[in-house]
Amino acid sequence: DQQVKQNSPSLSVQEGRISILNCDYTNSMFDYFLWYKKYPAEGPTFLISISSIKDKNEDGRFTVFLNKSAKHLSLHIVPSQPGDSAVYFCAAFNQGGKLIFGQGTELSVKP
Amino acid sequence: DGGITQSPKYLFRKEGQNVTLSCEQNLNHDAMYWYRQDPGQGLRLIYYSQIVNDFQKGDIAEGYSVSREKKESFPLTVTSAQKNPTAFYLCASSAGAGPQHFGDGTRLSIL
Repeated sequence: DQQVKQNSPSLSVQEGRISILNCDYTNSMFDYFLWYKKYPAEGPTFLISISSIKDKNEDGRFTVFLNKSAKHLSLHIVPSQPGDSAVYFCAAFNQGGKLIFGQGTELSVKP
Repeated sequence: DGGITQSPKYLFRKEGQNVTLSCEQNLNHDAMYWYRQDPGQGLRLIYYSQIVNDFQKGDIAEGYSVSREKKESFPLTVTSAQKNPTAFYLCASSAGAGPQHFGDGTRLSIL
């Protein structure tokens, strides 16, 4: 039972353009969401988060949008850079305080 | 530098052997976690510990054991009962319910 889903395993974007990574969740009780970035053979690094009381959170080139009614969040990267090429995981805290991860989306930013 | 150290980076095990993965943190975090990542999948929680001398099973605890004798250390033992131990193992820590910070992982392979 996949409670957090990233339906696109991969995404390819041209340098300078916008990257949009999507994430859907099934449990309406989830109230805090995070995005992590992961390079090969390294651990994930925390990127940005959003609480359910907000619908947008911005940090430099990274913006996360939350649509609670659709149970959907997205990460926008503008402008995309080759160094952004990595696997991106979305995650949600469940009621027990555990992080539930999506399967990840591999982003490739081409020069 | 504060951070999480996992060792070794690569580990090989013969079938039928137990093996212990090390995780040390100097972030003064109370909570520590072990995850497993398989290709094309998100991170799945094996065990977690909110305080010293206490730990709980995650979603896939069978065939694994942990201890939490010190705040800084949370070793994971992969026992011979774990039927499919080949994976990338990630340790994380957090201060309460905040974002988790990850180590660089240990890749375990069966000879």
